[in-house]
Amino acid sequence: GENVEQHPSTLSVQEGDSAVIKCTYSDSASNYFPWYKQELGKRPQLIIDIRSNVGEKKDQRIAVTLNKTAKHFSLHITETQPEDSAVYFCAAKGGLTGGGNKLTFGTGTQLKVEL
Amino acid sequence: NAGVTQTPKFQVLKTGQSMTLQCAQDMNHEYMSWYRQDPGMGLRLIHYSVGAGITDQGEVPNGYNVSRSTTEDFPLRLLSAAPSQTSVYFCASSYGNAETQYFGPGTRLLVL
Repeated sequence: GENVEQHPSTLSVQEGDSAVIKCTYSDSASNYFPWYKQELGKRPQLIIDIRSNVGEKKDQRIAVTLNKTAKHFSLHITETQPEDSAVYFCAAKGGLTGGGNKLTFGTGTQLKVEL
Repeated sequence: NAGVTQTPKFQVLKTGQSMTLQCAQDMNHEYMSWYRQDPGMGLRLIHYSVGAGITDQGEVPNGYNVSRSTTEDFPLRLLSAAPSQTSVYFCASSYGNAETQYFGPGTRLLVL
């Protein structure tokens, strides 16, 4: 089945700096890659996603890039703010042979934005 | 529109006890799923359903049963609780597949 690795596990940045979180996946047929944000004690919430036919997607201060050849995708947050502090999870939806109806999550990145 | 709801919010069980975690959604979503979240391990899929009457196993199904008799409800049953099942359980739903999943508020389960 699909295997998703996420790095780093913790990330500390100064307010206003950029943050980058990287994920790799194993199933070359995977076709959907979402990112979720989970604040302390809350439920995960989708913040951005990308499909395999797109290389980059932006939404205000966040962007996601996908490199299908290398099987990795990244989350970029610019001009970080204290409210960006949370745990971020990447995920991949496998192809038909790997589970086309399953999301496999990475282990999460604890982002801390310091004042 | 309540979205995805879960009950109870918190539960303490003794080893060997059984219980059912409830999950309901009012968005007419066909796809529903259960995840468990443990420190440092992300969200792991337990079981999922692509529609009423259809369920399938995820990554960590052992010790859990599910059924889907209606579109709205997807209960998760622990037949004989074990300390290894201490975790936070999230239910999620989406339209036709596993994309754009909406999560419930979670159930924190402690098995002694």
